Amino acid sequence: SAVISQKPSRDICQRGTSLTIQCQVDSQVTMMFWYRQQPGQSLTLIATANQGSEATYESGFVIDKFPISRPNLTFSTLTVSNMSPEDSSIYLCSVLGLADQETQYFGPGTRLLVL
Amino acid sequence: DQQVKQNSPSLSVQEGRISILNCDYTNSMFDYFLWYKKYPAEGPTFLISISSIKDKNEDGRFTVFLNKSAKHLSLHIVPSQPGDSAVYFCAAKAGNNRKLIWGLGTSLAVNP
Repeated sequence: SAVISQKPSRDICQRGTSLTIQCQVDSQVTMMFWYRQQPGQSLTLIATANQGSEATYESGFVIDKFPISRPNLTFSTLTVSNMSPEDSSIYLCSVLGLADQETQYFGPGTRLLVL
Repeated sequence: DQQVKQNSPSLSVQEGRISILNCDYTNSMFDYFLWYKKYPAEGPTFLISISSIKDKNEDGRFTVFLNKSAKHLSLHIVPSQPGDSAVYFCAAKAGNNRKLIWGLGTSLAVNP
C-alpha cells in the first residue's frame, strides 16, 4: 500500500479562521479521498479529488466550505474555511490500494479543535 | 438510515480468547466488505476484506465470515492480544459507485 502523510497532525484554531490540511502520498494515485470523523461518530466522506478536475463533493459538503486542491498525482490539500466548533473533527486523507483497487488506505489524520 | 450497522458499541475479551465483532447490513447490493482497526489519534488501518462471492476469508489471527442470506458478517480474532484493543469499523461497497459505507464501530478491549 502507499505511504500517506498529513500535515498538520493536530491544530487548535479560533472560530472564523481557516486551516489547510496537506496530504502527501509516496506513489502516484488517481483518486484521493477526504473524510472526517466527528467525535463519537463514524467516518464521513467529504469529497473525492481527482487530479486535473474539480473535486466531487458528497451531500452536505460544499466547495466554499471545504475547498480542495489536487495539483498533481501525489498531493492534495483540504481547507476548512470559516471554522466553527462544529468543525472539530479528525480529518483523514485516503487513497485506493496500488494493487488492490477495492481497498482504501488512510493517512494518520489531522485532529482539529475549533474554539 | 444506517446501511451498515455495528450494534455493539463495545466488547471486552480476555487475552488469549476469541473476539467476535459483528456487522449487519441492509443493502443487498453490497458486494465487498472490509474491516478496519483504528487506534485513537491515528487513521484507520485495513485489516481484512471479503468479496460477496466468498463466505470466509482468513489472514493470520483474523477471519471474516459472510452470511449473505442473513446480511451479516463477523470478524473473529483468535487469540486476542492486548494490542488488539482498538475501535473496529465494518465498511461495505456496492455497484459502480465504489464509495465505502461505514458502520459506527465497535470498541474492543482485550484485557491481560
